[in-house]
Parts: sequence; C-alpha cells; structure tokens
Amino acid sequence: QKEVEQDPGPLSVPEGAIVSLNCTYSNSAFQYFMWYRQYSRKGPELLMYTYSSGNKEDGRFTAQVDKSSKYISLFIRDSQPSDSATYLCAMSDNQGGKLIFGQGTELSVKP
Amino acid sequence: GAVVSQHPSWVICKSGTSVKIECRSLDFQATTMFWYRQFPKQSLMLMATSNEGSKATYEQGVEKDKFLINHASLTLSTLTVTSAHPEDSSFYICSARGGGGNYGYTFGSGTRLTVV
Repeated sequence: QKEVEQDPGPLSVPEGAIVSLNCTYSNSAFQYFMWYRQYSRKGPELLMYTYSSGNKEDGRFTAQVDKSSKYISLFIRDSQPSDSATYLCAMSDNQGGKLIFGQGTELSVKP
Repeated sequence: GAVVSQHPSWVICKSGTSVKIECRSLDFQATTMFWYRQFPKQSLMLMATSNEGSKATYEQGVEKDKFLINHASLTLSTLTVTSAHPEDSSFYICSARGGGGNYGYTFGSGTRLTVV
C-alpha cells in the first residue's frame, strides 16, 4: 500500500464547475499537507499549505484536512480552463522534511 | 518570492555519456536540496536529499554512484547522471529548502533528459 493515494483521473469538467480533488494517506505522523499544481513539463508550484486538521481558503481554492480519517481535499470553485493541470497532494511529518507525493490528478477544464 | 533556477530545461545525450543538471537558488540560501524523478503521468519520486557541505542521503533503490549529487554551496546543487542509459530518460526536478516563503519548499522548473 502506498503511503499516499490519489486518484490519477483524468478528470474533465466544464468551465465554472466545482472541482473536488482528494488524497488519502496511511501515515498518522503526517502533520503538514500541501497541494501543488503542475503544468506539463514544468516544476510543481505550491497552491495551498495546511498544518494539521482544518480548512484553509485562498480565493477560489479551499483545502481541507481530516486527520481522523486520514483524508485531504482541495476544492476549486468557478473552475477556469487555465486551471487545467495536474494537481499533486504532498505531505510531511515535519516542517522542512521530505515530502511524500500522491500520484497526481490530471484535470481538464473545458470552455 | 523565492526562485530556483534549474538548467538545462531539456537535454538529449548519447548512451554512455554523463549529464549534469544544475539548480541554483537565486535569492535565498538553500540549506537543503531535494532531487526528484518523475515519469510520465506519475508522481514525483524522491531520489536524494542533500545538505550543503554534506554527502547526500539517497532513497532506497537509488544508485548513488550513478546519480552523483553535489551541494558544495548554499546556492548551488548539481545532479550528474553518469553513464546514462535510455532507462534513465525522465523528468528530473530539484526542490530547495531555505527560502522562507512557500513554507521552505521551492521547486525548479525541471529537466527533461532523453538518452538515445
């Protein structure tokens, strides 16, 4: 069993839809949770960062962490074609330690 | 914000030759550098972690004699793929810690290596 599981998709939605991306994990020591966006042939860029459980909102993006269920989510409201990319969840058991990535979900937002 | 410059962005080399990939932190001191490998439609797999002035720590299954990592300064880390073979063709990405912003992780733009 992988430490971090993420549905690879691909996921295709119409413009304006709400997108829900999820990851589950098995290591209860994970405390730091991140979502990255990666465009084709580029390095990942950080979208959201959450420490421990709870919600965090930034513009059209909302990150949720449920440590009791070992489940994290990223919601994208009013999705745009420019949101089309691969979204990777990542987590760590200590700040600055190595990140464990999910497989990534390929998202396509159709105009 | 913190920037990591990675070069080259793509490289094609002949089988048996060596290739060096550089990552430079442009506006901060990178105390720790992580090197990842990514196959198409797959996640980032950590290859090694290097701290400035120390030997790199390699993940299980990564050949340290094949993937040479040097982190001689706080702003530069290099990954050299020695005696490259077609199966080494992949996307290599570095990530630097020490930038403050982005909670310490800043990724390079990646290098696509093709070995022919």
